[in-house]
Amino acid sequence: DTAVSQTPKYLVTQMGNDKSIKCEQNLGHDTMYWYKQDSKKFLKIMFSYNNKELIINETVPNRFSPKSPDKAHLNLHINSLELGDSAVYFCASSSDIREAHTDTQYFGPGTRLTVL
Amino acid sequence: GQNIDQPTEMTATEGAIVQINCTYQTSGFNGLFWYQQHAGEAPTFLSYNVLDGLEEKGRFSSFLSRSKGYSYLLLKELQMKDSASYLCAVMNSNYQLIWGAGTKLIIKP
Repeated sequence: DTAVSQTPKYLVTQMGNDKSIKCEQNLGHDTMYWYKQDSKKFLKIMFSYNNKELIINETVPNRFSPKSPDKAHLNLHINSLELGDSAVYFCASSSDIREAHTDTQYFGPGTRLTVL
Repeated sequence: GQNIDQPTEMTATEGAIVQINCTYQTSGFNGLFWYQQHAGEAPTFLSYNVLDGLEEKGRFSSFLSRSKGYSYLLLKELQMKDSASYLCAVMNSNYQLIWGAGTKLIIKP
């Protein structure tokens, strides 16, 4: 029943490691997003994918790479983790980014990443 | 630059009314969203305004004035479960959603 799901919910790892966070949506949406929410609670867009094409790529380090095997999935890979990467990462999806009146974003439960 | 301003924190009493303001400056405008986020949870959609005026949805209403770059979220008959952060977000002309930092609403009995 879950509309947008993410795994894992919690991720604790050492500096320098490589990790992945998975996201899946069963809403039939065309656009998926990754956000980072830091301790100050700002939601910062990292990436969005529309029909497997990257359409927004904010200036995030290239250690972060989104991978979309199909329209329902957008995974986030992070290489060489740093202390500053500790945050909550939210996946979201929406129907069509250009139909703003239907562009309500549905969020996954979040992944709390802690880098030690 | 683009920015969204909203108060950091507000306190209100159970049963009362509270108004959370949001002002914005963005490159173009394709609508304004309000989201609710409980601590440790994901944001959930509350409302969407693209035309000037008031949109009412149960105990929650959202107002927009595009000429003033201003919106507010009005919560009536406050309940303890309304304690949460309320996020204002504006979609600009590039269909990017610009987020405010959120207003933490504390409800006291």
